[in-house]
Amino acid sequence: QQQVKQSPQSLIVQKGGISIINCAYENTAFDYFPWYQQFPGKGPALLIAIRPDVSEKKEGRFTISFNKSAKQFSLHIMDSQPGDSATYFCAASKASGSRLTFGEGTQLTVNP
Amino acid sequence: GAVVSQHPSRVICKSGTSVKIECRSLDFQATTMFWYRQFPKQSLMLMATSNEGSKATYEQGVEKDKFLINHASLTLSTLTVTSAHPEDSSFYICSAKKLAGGTDTQYFGPGTRLTVL
Repeated sequence: QQQVKQSPQSLIVQKGGISIINCAYENTAFDYFPWYQQFPGKGPALLIAIRPDVSEKKEGRFTISFNKSAKQFSLHIMDSQPGDSATYFCAASKASGSRLTFGEGTQLTVNP
Repeated sequence: GAVVSQHPSRVICKSGTSVKIECRSLDFQATTMFWYRQFPKQSLMLMATSNEGSKATYEQGVEKDKFLINHASLTLSTLTVTSAHPEDSSFYICSAKKLAGGTDTQYFGPGTRLTVL
C-alpha cells in the first residue's frame, strides 16, 4: 500500500513536444505529491509539487495533473528541450513531512 | 533558497574500512534528515530517518549497526558505513526538511558516490 507506480520507464520526445509521465498510488493517506528531476551523478531537485485539494498546478513549462478518485497524477512538460533530458521521479508522502515513497523513475530523452 | 551539501562527493575505500559521509543544511535548520541509497538506474531507497538529538529510525532490512547515523545538530547529520564491503558501493543521498514553515518539501544533497574495492 506504500507503493507508487510510475510509467513509462523511458521516454523519447522530439524537441518542442510534450512529455507526459504518469504515476499511480494506492495509499489514500498520501497528501503530498512532488516531482523530482535528477541528472546523472547529481541529487534529485524538486520540480513541482501538488496537494489533493487541487486538480492541476502549473509552473512554467511544468504541469501536474491530479486525479484523486483515480489515485493518479501526472507530469506534463510542455515545449520539451534537450536540457530537460534527465530522470524524473514522482513521489508521495503522508501528512507533514514524513518519509517520501518514490516511483521507479522515468528516463526522459529529448532529441534536438 | 534551501541548499544541502554533502561531503565527500566521491570516496573510494578498501573493503573492511569505515567511511563517514556528512550532510549539511547550509541556509536553514532541519528538523529531520533522511538518508537514501541509489543503485545505478534505480530509484531512491530510504535507509533511515534522523531527527536532531534522537536515535535514527531505520527502514526494514537496513542494518543499524552497519549504517551509523548521527544527527548532532539542526544543520548536520552524518552517515558512517562501517566495515564497508563491495556490495555497499552505491550513491548515497541525504535530504533535509526545513524546521520552519510547516512545509513538506525535502531538499536533497548532491550525493556521495561510494566505491568499495
